[in-house]
Amino acid sequence: DTAVSQTPKYLVTQMGNDKSIKCEQNLGHDTMYWYKQDSKKFLKIMFSYNNKELIINETVPNRFSPKSPDKAHLNLHINSLELGDSAVYFCASSPGAAGEGNEQFFGPGTRLTVL
Amino acid sequence: GQNIDQPTEMTATEGAIVQINCTYQTSGFNGLFWYQQHAGEAPTFLSYNVLDGLEEKGRFSSFLSRSKGYSYLLLKELQMKDSASYLCAVRGARGSYIPTFGRGTSLIVHP
Repeated sequence: DTAVSQTPKYLVTQMGNDKSIKCEQNLGHDTMYWYKQDSKKFLKIMFSYNNKELIINETVPNRFSPKSPDKAHLNLHINSLELGDSAVYFCASSPGAAGEGNEQFFGPGTRLTVL
Repeated sequence: GQNIDQPTEMTATEGAIVQINCTYQTSGFNGLFWYQQHAGEAPTFLSYNVLDGLEEKGRFSSFLSRSKGYSYLLLKELQMKDSASYLCAVRGARGSYIPTFGRGTSLIVHP
């Protein structure tokens, strides 16, 4: 019954490693997002996908790459992890095209710790 | 660019009323959201305002004044479970539909 799910919930890894976070939504939404929430609780948009096309890409390092195999999935791959990547990463989705007055439904978050 | 300002922390008493303010400066305006986020959990949608005025939804109400770049979230009959962070998010000009979030206001409700 989970609307937006993410795996894993916790991820602890060493600097320099490559890792992926998976996200799936069963709401039939057209748009999915990735957010990063740092220790100061700022929620910052990283990517947005609409119908498998990247429509927003903020100034995120190219070590981060979103991958969307279909409308229900938006995975986040991170290469060469750095200490500053430690944060909580939230996946979200919304109906319709990106942002058209619609609320976003957030996943439970993935807490990434880079050692 | 977009700048969103909220108080960092507020405290209130169970049963009372609290108003959380949000001021913003954006290039264009296309809607303002309020989200609630409990510690360790995901944000959940509370309200959306795009026109001036008050939107009421149960114990929660949200107000918007576009000319003043100002919104507030009003919580009535506070309960302990209302202790959470409240995030104001503003969507700017058309063509950039993704809302920008403020840093959130941490509300502590005590008995």
